[in-house]
Amino acid sequence: DQQVKQNSPSLSVQEGRISILNCDYTNSMFDYFLWYKKYPAEGPTFLISISSIKDKNEDGRFTVFLNKSAKHLSLHIVPSQPGDSAVYFCAASYDKIIFGKGTRLHILP
Amino acid sequence: KAGVTQTPRYLIKTRGQQVTLSCSPISGHRSVSWYQQTPGQGLQFLFEYFSETQRNKGNFPGRFSGRQFSNSRSEMNVSTLELGDSALYLCASSQDTGGGSYNEQFFGPGTRLTVL
Repeated sequence: DQQVKQNSPSLSVQEGRISILNCDYTNSMFDYFLWYKKYPAEGPTFLISISSIKDKNEDGRFTVFLNKSAKHLSLHIVPSQPGDSAVYFCAASYDKIIFGKGTRLHILP
Repeated sequence: KAGVTQTPRYLIKTRGQQVTLSCSPISGHRSVSWYQQTPGQGLQFLFEYFSETQRNKGNFPGRFSGRQFSNSRSEMNVSTLELGDSALYLCASSQDTGGGSYNEQFFGPGTRLTVL
C-alpha cells in the first residue's frame, strides 16, 4: 500500500524552463509535506516543506503547492538549472515520514 | 556542526551472513531513523529510535533490527542476508524537541550493502 506516490520515474526539462514534479498521497492524516533532493552517492537533503494548513510555500526558485482536496502536491522549480539534475523525493509526515519512490530530473542544456 | 555519519560506506557480504551498520547523528539530535533505498522501491522506512527506544517500525521482516545507545548513536543489524537486501541504507537524525509531528531530518551519506 503506497501512501505517497510519485508517478513519473523521470522528467527532462530544458535549462531555464520550469520543472514541475508531482506527488499524490492517500492518507488524510498527513499534516506535513516535504521535498528532498538526492545526488548520487549522497544522502537526501531537505529542500522545502509545507504544512497542511497552507496551500503554497515559496523559497527562491522553489515553490511547493498543496491541494488537499485532491491529495496532491507539486514542486515547481523556475528557472531550472543544470545543478537541479537529481532525484527528488516527495515525503509526507504524521507520526513518521513516508517517502515516495522519487523522480529523476534531468536538466537539458 | 558535523553532519550525520555512517560507517562503513560500502560493504560486501554473502547470503546467510549478518551485518551491522552504524550511524552517528548530529550532536544534540535524539531521534535516528533508518531507511532502505532500492531502485525499484525508493526510500522505505525501516524504524525510528528515540531515547534508546524504538518508536516506530516499518514493514520489514524481523531479520532487520536496530538499537540506539545513550549517546544517540544507532546501529542496524540484518541477519541471514538475502540477495534482495542489497541496497543503500540511509540513516537520518532529527532534533525532535517534541510537540509537533514534523521534525526535519538530516540524512547521512548511506552504507551501500551488496549481498552476493
